[in-house]
Amino acid sequence: SAVISQKPSRDICQRGTSLTIQCQVDSQVTMMFWYRQQPGQSLTLIATANQGSEATYESGFVIDKFPISRPNLTFSTLTVSNMSPEDSSIYLCSALDRDGYTFGSGTRLTVV
Amino acid sequence: AQSVTQPDIHITVSEGASLELRCNYSYGATPYLFWYVQSPGQGLQLLLKYFSGDTLVQGIKGFEAEFKRSQSSFNLRKPSVHWSDAAEYFCAVGPGTASKLTFGTGTRLQVTL
Repeated sequence: SAVISQKPSRDICQRGTSLTIQCQVDSQVTMMFWYRQQPGQSLTLIATANQGSEATYESGFVIDKFPISRPNLTFSTLTVSNMSPEDSSIYLCSALDRDGYTFGSGTRLTVV
Repeated sequence: AQSVTQPDIHITVSEGASLELRCNYSYGATPYLFWYVQSPGQGLQLLLKYFSGDTLVQGIKGFEAEFKRSQSSFNLRKPSVHWSDAAEYFCAVGPGTASKLTFGTGTRLQVTL
């Protein structure tokens, strides 16, 4: 299975600022996804990161708040923009390869 | 729309006892089913998956799961639980190999010594 390196692993940010999370996959993958896991909750899909085109966002998530880039088949970034305390969550990226879905170790974000 | 239900929010078992975590799904065709484990502060680790074929699937760490189409279930089992199995367990369903996953709400497993 693919191995994903996600960074940063955690951060504490001031409200109103932005944070960019990076995911690097050790092999080319067809699809990458970004999830949010709010405290004590399950995972909610934010968007599917499409290589070379705009990401596909789920209901309730918008590009202005969560811009995503995917410049090639091994790398993607998620930016959490204009942060508020409600954005405090774990953010996880995921990649789909022939063995299934692999997840990064997550970014624990705290907004103060 | 696909959905996943994990009826048990929290389960406590004694070390050495057997374990069964329940998962029920809703999907119109044959689903792709997964079980993941998440330790505190960690990402998700795949325990096992079912795509097709044998309905009893073996995974890592001694876990297995059985796909029962008639019951729309994919329950996770382990014959003897170890204290290190304490974690959050998520069941997930996907409609195919090129689409998003839908996760259940998770079951938190506590293991008593």
